[in-house]
Amino acid sequence: SQTIHQWPATLVQPVGSPLSLECTVEGTSNPNLYWYRQAAGRGLQLLFYSVGIGQISSEVPQNLSASRPQDRQFILSSKKLLLSDSGFYLCAWSEQSNEKLFFGSGTQLSVL
Amino acid sequence: KQEVTQIPAALSVPEGENLVLNCSFTDSAIYNLQWFRQDPGKGLTSLLLIQSSQREQTSGRLNASLDKSSGRSTLYIAASQPGDSATYLCAVGVSGYALNFGKGTSLLVTP
Repeated sequence: SQTIHQWPATLVQPVGSPLSLECTVEGTSNPNLYWYRQAAGRGLQLLFYSVGIGQISSEVPQNLSASRPQDRQFILSSKKLLLSDSGFYLCAWSEQSNEKLFFGSGTQLSVL
Repeated sequence: KQEVTQIPAALSVPEGENLVLNCSFTDSAIYNLQWFRQDPGKGLTSLLLIQSSQREQTSGRLNASLDKSSGRSTLYIAASQPGDSATYLCAVGVSGYALNFGKGTSLLVTP
C-alpha cells in the first residue's frame, strides 16, 4: 500500500532563517506531488505541484521554492523566512491528475 | 476565480442524527469535487471523489452529491457517531492539478 511521510511535524524558525521541509511517498511510482499551505482562518492554498522529476509548477509567486530531486521525494524550501510564511504545510500525492488526493500529516511552521 | 463556500461553518448534533453538509462553488466548469475530513492538527483524509460527469458517490454511511448546474454539492452523513467529529472540507478541481478548497465545516457529534 502507498504511504506518505512528511517531516518535521512542528518547526519554529526565526525570521530570515532558511527552511527545508521534506516529503516522501512509498508504494507508487511517478506520482503527482503537491505542496499546500493552510493558514489560520483561510482555506488550503496550492503552492507547488510536480508531475515528474525536476518538473515544478508554481501556483502562487512567493518566498518559497520546491524541488523534486527523486521520483518520490518533494522538498519545500526558503532562503529567508518571513513572518507571513507561518502556517500548516501539507504534502500530498495522486496517481494521476484529476484523481483522489492523499495528504501527509503536515508540518506546523511558526516563524517568529 | 472559483470561490468555494461551505455552510454552516460549525455544526453540533446529537449522536445518531442524519446530517447534511453543504458546499457551493461559483464556476460550474469543474474537473471534479472532493470531500475531505481533517482532525485537529492532522492532515486531510480523502472521503469521496466525484468526477464532473458523475452525480453522486457513496462510501459506507457517507453519500456525496454533485449538481454542477447549480454549483452545489452536499455530503450526507447517516447515523452520526462521536468519531465523526472533525472538520469536513470540500474542494473543487479547477484544473487537472489544482483544487480550490472551502474553509470547512467543523462538526461535533455529542454522545
